[in-house]
Amino acid sequence: KAGVTQTPRYLIKTRGQQVTLSCSPISGHRSVSWYQQTPGQGLQFLFEYFSETQRNKGNFPGRFSGRQFSNSRSEMNVSTLELGDSALYLCASRGSPGPEAFFGQGTRLTVV
Amino acid sequence: AQSVAQPEDQVNVAEGNPLTVKCTYSVSGNPYLFWYVQYPNRGLQFLLKYITGDNLVKGSYGFEAEFNKSQTSFHLKKPSALVSDSALYFCAVRSRGFKTIFGAGTRLFVKA
Repeated sequence: KAGVTQTPRYLIKTRGQQVTLSCSPISGHRSVSWYQQTPGQGLQFLFEYFSETQRNKGNFPGRFSGRQFSNSRSEMNVSTLELGDSALYLCASRGSPGPEAFFGQGTRLTVV
Repeated sequence: AQSVAQPEDQVNVAEGNPLTVKCTYSVSGNPYLFWYVQYPNRGLQFLLKYITGDNLVKGSYGFEAEFNKSQTSFHLKKPSALVSDSALYFCAVRSRGFKTIFGAGTRLFVKA
């Protein structure tokens, strides 16, 4: 069974640009969560989607948005990038019956 | 508000010795508890979980964790550490409200 796939793995953007990150969950998993990981802040929860509906959201500004498609794939968008958005963005999927999450390898975003 | 605390930034142990990585939590109700491990430039890997039942849970790679409800702790343990266990370890709690909160992480260094 394929794991969680995140694309791209690495990304360099300029301040002010926008970026879209993609996550394909494990086949059959309907829940997808996104996290931002930085050395200073650790793992911060962004949002969680289940069956195309956002059912939880972290404390991030509106520049951070996401969506989930009918095939459970998810995208995360960050608009008007700031230097502080440089981070490892992790996606995780969950399926029945376990509550544990399975993580992708992440997308390393660098804003210059 | 729910929270997870990992009081040690780093744990150092000699190979072959037992290891403990500490975690305490604060959440209402009966949460799910997890441990994950992260190797450099990789996503998080699920190690083990506690949902209900026996307070000692066993997981991957010889790790186990002890749930203590009165002390609201969920410490990760291994009887005999390996150099390859050196990594970043995260404790996490998931409330019945679907949000998963991660601790700040503890870096484990196992010396040969």
